[in-house]
Amino acid sequence: QVHLVESGGGVVQPGGSRRLSCAASGFSFSYYGMHWVRQAPGKGLEWVAFIRYDGNYNYYEDSLKGRFTVSRDNSKNTLYLQMNSLRAEDTAVYYCAKDWGYYDTSGYYFDYWGQGTLVTVSS
Amino acid sequence: ETAMTQSPATLSVSPGERATLSCRASQSINSNLAWYQQKPGQSPRLLIFDASTRATGIPARFSGGGSGTEFTLTIISLQSEDFAVYYCQQYHNWPRTFGQGTKLEIK
Repeated sequence: QVHLVESGGGVVQPGGSRRLSCAASGFSFSYYGMHWVRQAPGKGLEWVAFIRYDGNYNYYEDSLKGRFTVSRDNSKNTLYLQMNSLRAEDTAVYYCAKDWGYYDTSGYYFDYWGQGTLVTVSS
Repeated sequence: ETAMTQSPATLSVSPGERATLSCRASQSINSNLAWYQQKPGQSPRLLIFDASTRATGIPARFSGGGSGTEFTLTIISLQSEDFAVYYCQQYHNWPRTFGQGTKLEIK
């Protein structure tokens, strides 16, 4: 079955950087787009970024462009999110989520989610 | 950006009754809408995609409807495990956007 496991969360100082990872198993990772979605404490869901199955195409939430970078290593079945210049408002649980689309450029909906990893930006 | 607005923010319904949740898009998204359920301390779970198609393993008491800008999620014969927060999400335009959620609570 599909399994997504995020890691890399923790406490980061304002202005700092952090790289999150998402290890995928149970499906052909290299054929599916992947997303990052975050959820601030007590708040709703916010889509962060999408990367195409081959890593050659991505989209970001407008306010995060330039600070966050999504990437993937299909040889390791792993998705990444590099976060720079972190701010207090980036504090959230970060989920990786599998896109429904098979071998497709268009991001669709999220059919499987990881358990999330908490990033806290605080001094 | 396509803004998604859910109503009401909180819905109080008795077990066994019917709940209807609404989601409105700021522009037409055809039928490119999904619904998710999230329980406390858990990750979201896909319920409905393409506005009205139930995901694998989702009980028939969940149904989705609508197209264009107006959508609904209906849950009949509410069970105790259905009390949770529900989110709609559009995948017609970039960036992908969620509604703010509707909390379904026990009356």
